[in-house]
Amino acid sequence: EDKVVQSPLSLVVHEGDTVTLNCSYEVTNFRSLLWYKQEKKAPTFLFMLTSSGIEKKSGRLSSILDKKELFSILNITATQTGDSAVYLCAVEAATSGTYKYIFGTGTRLKVLA
Amino acid sequence: NAGVMQNPRHLVRRRGQEARLRCSPMKGHSHVYWYRQLPEEGLKFMVYLQKENIIDESGMPKERFSAEFPKEGPSILRIQQVVRGDSAAYFCASSPYLGTAETQYFGPGTRLLVL
Repeated sequence: EDKVVQSPLSLVVHEGDTVTLNCSYEVTNFRSLLWYKQEKKAPTFLFMLTSSGIEKKSGRLSSILDKKELFSILNITATQTGDSAVYLCAVEAATSGTYKYIFGTGTRLKVLA
Repeated sequence: NAGVMQNPRHLVRRRGQEARLRCSPMKGHSHVYWYRQLPEEGLKFMVYLQKENIIDESGMPKERFSAEFPKEGPSILRIQQVVRGDSAAYFCASSPYLGTAETQYFGPGTRLLVL
């Protein structure tokens, strides 16, 4: 059965700290791995990763994929209170001529002022 | 260009009633995905539709749930005879074409509460 596991489930840090969120997966016919940030509304897309070892960056956020060890990490440096959210990892997999998405349960990040 | 619209935003139903959730994709998008987010859990894929076709419904419960995306009008997720366990946030996403996860745009969700 396809699965995506995120850790930790929740995390509390202080502003300025650096955090690393983990996502491991076991999926047949992997296509890509995606990170989303979810606040009180719908998830917003952060990164899509398809190749191992290539870091993607956006401001203080960065992410990398290891397709051999089947995991990805999302780093947030110099955290701010606005980074408080649930971070979702999802894997896109090919299935029967189409695609599906398997989501992890998310990591709940709380950044304290 | 309006984003993905979902209505209602909040829906309260009593056990045994029917719930109808609507999703209007972004203009020009012909692919719609429905996800369910249970409290304290991640998003779970339910169904993927193109206009007038169900492409993948592997995440849909076998009973009581159905989805459609007619030629005209919004996509509809219907839940018949709702039970308390159906209480969740239901998100719709749309995409202009197949398999482009990074161009999936999410709606604000419908929060269903079953009393």
